[in-house]
Order: sequence, then structure tokens, then C-alpha cells
Amino acid sequence: AQKITQTQPGMFVQEKEAVTLDCTYDTSDPSYGLFWYKQPSSGEMIFLIYQGSYDQQNATEGRYSLNFQKARKSANLVISASQLGDSAMYFCAMREGSSTLGRLYFGRGTQLTVWP
Amino acid sequence: EADIYQTPRYLVIGTGKKITLECSQTMGHDKMYWYQQDPGMELHLIHYSYGVNSTEKGDLSSESTVSRIRTEHFPLTLESARPSHTSQYLCASSESPEFLRWGSLDTQYFGPGTRLTVL
Repeated sequence: AQKITQTQPGMFVQEKEAVTLDCTYDTSDPSYGLFWYKQPSSGEMIFLIYQGSYDQQNATEGRYSLNFQKARKSANLVISASQLGDSAMYFCAMREGSSTLGRLYFGRGTQLTVWP
Repeated sequence: EADIYQTPRYLVIGTGKKITLECSQTMGHDKMYWYQQDPGMELHLIHYSYGVNSTEKGDLSSESTVSRIRTEHFPLTLESARPSHTSQYLCASSESPEFLRWGSLDTQYFGPGTRLTVL
């Protein structure tokens, strides 16, 4: 079974608007972490935000926030006030607490396009 | 701010050549990883390392090999490149906190990647 599911292959948003990128996950481990990465066309993976399974509050980092709904096993990324530079591929990833390696499972990504 | 470097950024070579993709980090991280990513697809773990002289294969079968002689250096080698090896290769590293303290400290930081094309 897929550990991370991103159902939106592509999303479009107008500049200055907010956008939500969906992510659902599957794990039986009570301890886990969820990560979002941004990958511009240049190819590098840029870490955006982290949410721990025991965190009481939703994570926020500047214009990025994570809408964490534990019962639904979803960890959607919200980008407020979109900018043209936000156009990129966005990946959701999960780390299970039982993994001593700390390996990440990635979704297939969502291509976000911000238009003026 | 992560300091992890990969060279070359782009490489086009012919079939049968031996190549080494370089990855180095200056953060003193114990854990390092190699991922393979085809265009528009998710990342697949191909190799990882817990520390010096510790390397393991990941989920995706790969004909490449790795070594970890120094903490900061984690090169990947293809003995005989083939067109099926055409892909992007991403190197990452993370701290190795005690299990009970893992969390955001275990974030993997990535290098810029190497886009490999084998003709």
C-alpha cells in the first residue's frame, strides 16, 4: 500500500491567493513525522515544514502552514499569498518512528503553477 | 541552512563508462542517503549510510555502489553506465539524534542533485 498519497498531479493558483496541497498518509506507527519539500525546476529539494504526530498545534513556517488532521491521516500544505516563485513541484513525505534509519517515504508530488 | 554539495550537476556520457557522483556535507551528519528520481516521479531510496564504513542498499534495486570512508563524503559509483541509468540522483543527510529525541532534528537536507543522461 502507498504510504503517502498526493491526489493532485497539478494545481493552479493566482498570485496572492492561498492554495492547499493535499496529502494523506498510511501508517500504523503511533510515532511519525510529516515533511513537505519544494522542488523547483532546477531540481534541488528544499525543506519547507515539519509536523510531528504528537504535536498539539499545526506547524507554521512563514507563508507555509500544515493542516494536520490526525484522525483523517491527512497533512495538507497551505501556502498563503502565493508568489510566482512558488511555482514548483511539492512533495509530501513521512518518517516512521520505528525506523532507526529515519528513511522517508515520498508521495508522487503536486506540480503547482502560480499565474499573475 | 544545509550545506550539502553534489558534483557534477549535469552529466552526459556514453554507455559502458564508469562514473562517480560526488556528494559531500559539512554539517557533520552521520546519516546520508542517495535517492533516484525519474522526471515527474517520487524519490526512491537506493542507498543509505549510518556512518563511516556503514552502507546499505535501499528499496529500489540499483546497480550502483557507494562508499563511506569519511563522515562528510558519500560518493556513488556506476561501474558501467547504461541508458536505463538515466535519471536524477539526489543526495541527502540528516542528524542522528537519540530515538526519543527525533523529530524535526531528523530532517533530511538535500543537495542540488545530479542529472545523469546515458546515451
